Amino acid sequence: GENVEQHPSTLSVQEGDSAVIKCTYSDSASNYFPWYKQELGKGPQLIIDIRSNVGEKKDQRIAVTLNKTAKHFSLHITETQPEDSAVYFCAATPTDKLIFGTGTRLQVFP
Amino acid sequence: NAGVTQTPKFQVLKTGQSMTLQCAQDMNHEYMSWYRQDPGMGLRLIHYSVGAGITDQGEVPNGYNVSRSTTEDFPLRLLSAAPSQTSVYFCASRDAGGSNQPQHFGDGTRLSIL
Repeated sequence: GENVEQHPSTLSVQEGDSAVIKCTYSDSASNYFPWYKQELGKGPQLIIDIRSNVGEKKDQRIAVTLNKTAKHFSLHITETQPEDSAVYFCAATPTDKLIFGTGTRLQVFP
Repeated sequence: NAGVTQTPKFQVLKTGQSMTLQCAQDMNHEYMSWYRQDPGMGLRLIHYSVGAGITDQGEVPNGYNVSRSTTEDFPLRLLSAAPSQTSVYFCASRDAGGSNQPQHFGDGTRLSIL
């Protein structure tokens, strides 16, 4: 079955710096790669997603890149702000199920 | 719209007790699923349903039962609670258009088994 690995597990950055979170997947049949943000005491919320026919997608300060050959995808957050502090999850969908990475705790210090 | 609503938000059980975690969505989504979230392990799929009357197992189904009698509701039952089932449980739903449809999550049920 699909296996999604996510790194790093924790990431601390200064406000205004960029943050990058990386994920790899194992099943070449995966064709959809969403990213979720989870704030304390809340459920995960979709922040951006990318489909396998696209290499990059951007939404304001957030971008996602996909390299299908290498089976990895990354989340890039530019000009980080304290409200970006949260746990971020990547996921992949080889079938009708969503397989999650283990999460990255991002802390943005003012 | 309320989205995905989970009840209760918190629950403490004793080993061997049974209980039902409730999940309801008002988006007319065909696909619903249950995950558990444990430290360092991300979210793992317990059971899912592609429509009323249809359920299937995910990665970690043992100790849990589900049923789907209506489109709106997808309850998760713990038959005989064990300490290993202490976790945060999330229900999610999405449209039937395929796995590349965005999933919407509830805010979770925090369950402790003593």
